[in-house]
Amino acid sequence: DIVMTQSPDSLAVSLGERATINCKSSQSVLYSSNNKNYLAWYQQKPGQPPKLLIYWASTRESGVPDRFSGSGSGTDFTLTISSLQAEDVAVYYCQQYYSTPVFTFGPGTKVDIK
Amino acid sequence: QVTLRESGPALVKPTQTLTLTCTFSGFSLSTSGMCVSWIRQPPGKALEWLARIDWDDDKYYSTSLKTRLTISKDTSKNQVVLTMTNMDPVDTATYYCARIRAAAVTDYWGQGTLVTVSS
Repeated sequence: DIVMTQSPDSLAVSLGERATINCKSSQSVLYSSNNKNYLAWYQQKPGQPPKLLIYWASTRESGVPDRFSGSGSGTDFTLTISSLQAEDVAVYYCQQYYSTPVFTFGPGTKVDIK
Repeated sequence: QVTLRESGPALVKPTQTLTLTCTFSGFSLSTSGMCVSWIRQPPGKALEWLARIDWDDDKYYSTSLKTRLTISKDTSKNQVVLTMTNMDPVDTATYYCARIRAAAVTDYWGQGTLVTVSS
């Protein structure tokens, strides 16, 4: 199975400032035939299920604010919140869906307000 | 509007078999590319993928749990059922079902159901 790691484990950012979360896969999740990275990002608030934010590493799901953006390719990816809002406090997970059907998740990164 | 809802017992005893049902609406599991997965999350811990069933009835299981899991679907009832045998306290978790579109992107999740394993 592909192993996903995330850094940092947690971070605290001031309101309005940028938050950056990193995700690394143990092998490439770039599918050469279509040049797509099989990588998604989720946001999970306490007591709620995960919510899809980004797929194909950089495509924002419908309705997701544009302060959320994804980047990266191959094995290294980043989720950026450009201007942190109070409602963005949550745990963020990356997930690979390259290695079907076992779509492994990263361990999560907790984002708090400084 | 796509919705999924998990149902099942909140408490099971060690060694018992857990049966969970995912009832969904807003899509058909007979549509090409549609899949439903089960994912669990122990309290305060990360997400763990368990099993998946596809529109064509292909079934897949977590390598570490495959001897204990069975997934099935009833397309006419819009339901997916997961059974897990020989439950142990370490299986205490919130169990989610989720839709996968285009056999790739997990886009909609149920609210989850907390299952506690205790005697």
